[in-house]
Amino acid sequence: QSALTQPASVSGSPGQSITISCTGTSSDVGGYNYVSWYQQHSGKAPKFMIYDVSNRPSGVSNRFSGSKSGNTASLTISGLQAEDEADYYCSSYTISDTYVFGTGTKVTVL
Amino acid sequence: QVQLQQWGAGLLKPSETLSLTCAVYGGSFSGYYWSWIRQPPGKGLEWIGQLNRDGSANYNPSLKNRVTISVDTSKNQFSLKLSSVTAADTAVYYCASHCSGTRCYHGMDVWGQGTTVTVSS
Repeated sequence: QSALTQPASVSGSPGQSITISCTGTSSDVGGYNYVSWYQQHSGKAPKFMIYDVSNRPSGVSNRFSGSKSGNTASLTISGLQAEDEADYYCSSYTISDTYVFGTGTKVTVL
Repeated sequence: QVQLQQWGAGLLKPSETLSLTCAVYGGSFSGYYWSWIRQPPGKGLEWIGQLNRDGSANYNPSLKNRVTISVDTSKNQFSLKLSSVTAADTAVYYCASHCSGTRCYHGMDVWGQGTTVTVSS
């Protein structure tokens, strides 16, 4: 299985909104509403941010939102804050009853 | 709330078998799903495999021939074994839960602290 494709980096100024894309195939992203997103600060374990494309686990800020169109899912961070600077990964359930992660995106707050 | 604590050997020689264990505190161990994920230095996350609530496991096709995920329900622990390791298996390895409370997700909700494994002769 091939990793889902994400942009290597995205940047924005404080208060702005940014969007990270996650492109897969009809065998993963496009075939199921089981896309999740993770935030990883340097040297730390990933944190669960979004599940089932657009749902936030308890405790996750509503500045984070998810969506999907066809084979591409997206994570939007609104009202960008310095603490949002981190790496972000998408993941999808697949037709083979496995999971695949995205290539990862480094978010920089300017 | 589920908490995970993991451990295992941190330095291996090529051809040896990697062995890691993840202990689960809190939650309903037998009713949950569990995964192992790894992250090579400076690289992205790679899903290794999942332990299902019935004790069966699903594996990443690229690692399937070398990986075994097993469970010890009496100790609320699950384990990862990866055979015939090479330098390419050098990574931080994480255990993770797909469930917390009464909910399970097609995603990894709770993560262990990570274990750094280095393969070097």
